[in-house]
Amino acid sequence: QVQLQQSGSELVKPGSSVKISCKASGYTFASYDMHWVKQQPGNGLEWIGWIYPVNGNTKYNQKFNGKATLTADKSSSTAYMQLSSLTSEDSAVYFCAPQVHGLFAYWGQGTLVTVSS
Amino acid sequence: DIVMTQSPSSLAVSAGETVTINCKSSQSLLYSGNQKNYLAWYQQKPGQSPKLLIYWASTRQSGVPDRFIGSGSGTDFTLTISSVQAEDLAIYYCQHYYDTPYTFGAGTKLELK
Repeated sequence: QVQLQQSGSELVKPGSSVKISCKASGYTFASYDMHWVKQQPGNGLEWIGWIYPVNGNTKYNQKFNGKATLTADKSSSTAYMQLSSLTSEDSAVYFCAPQVHGLFAYWGQGTLVTVSS
Repeated sequence: DIVMTQSPSSLAVSAGETVTINCKSSQSLLYSGNQKNYLAWYQQKPGQSPKLLIYWASTRQSGVPDRFIGSGSGTDFTLTISSVQAEDLAIYYCQHYYDTPYTFGAGTKLELK
């Protein structure tokens, strides 16, 4: 069965960067775009972007250009998202979700990032 | 960017009632090449990831109870939950996947009356 295991919660300081991971299993990791979604506390869902693991091609929501950087390691079936120049507005839960056959049927459990001094 | 407008923002219901959640997109989600609407519905419970309920506007995901019904085409879509159960209390989101950036509605919180 498809499983997406995300890295644990992060407490980081303003101005710093953080890299979170999403390890996939149960499907052909390299064959499908991996998407990332942001959810601020008590708020809705915001699409960040996707990466195609085969060649590393990416597409970002313009809002996250310069904020998020997506990478993927085919050898370990793991996708990564680095968030830079962190502010309180980046405090959120971040989800990974592969778009398998066009659908977002599988989601990671989410990674909580808290930005605080 | 396509804007997804969802209504109502919250809904108080009693068990057994039928509820309707609306979602309107700022442009058509119907792709003429395959006549499919690129619209999905998700359910999210506190502390959990979103769960896919409906895709292609009206196709129920495997394992989703048949009381969840998606309908609509073009720019206007509806999620109907017939005979609401206590386990259905959650936040529901619509999302388009027609073109990037994929955007979500603001959500509808289903609460007990």
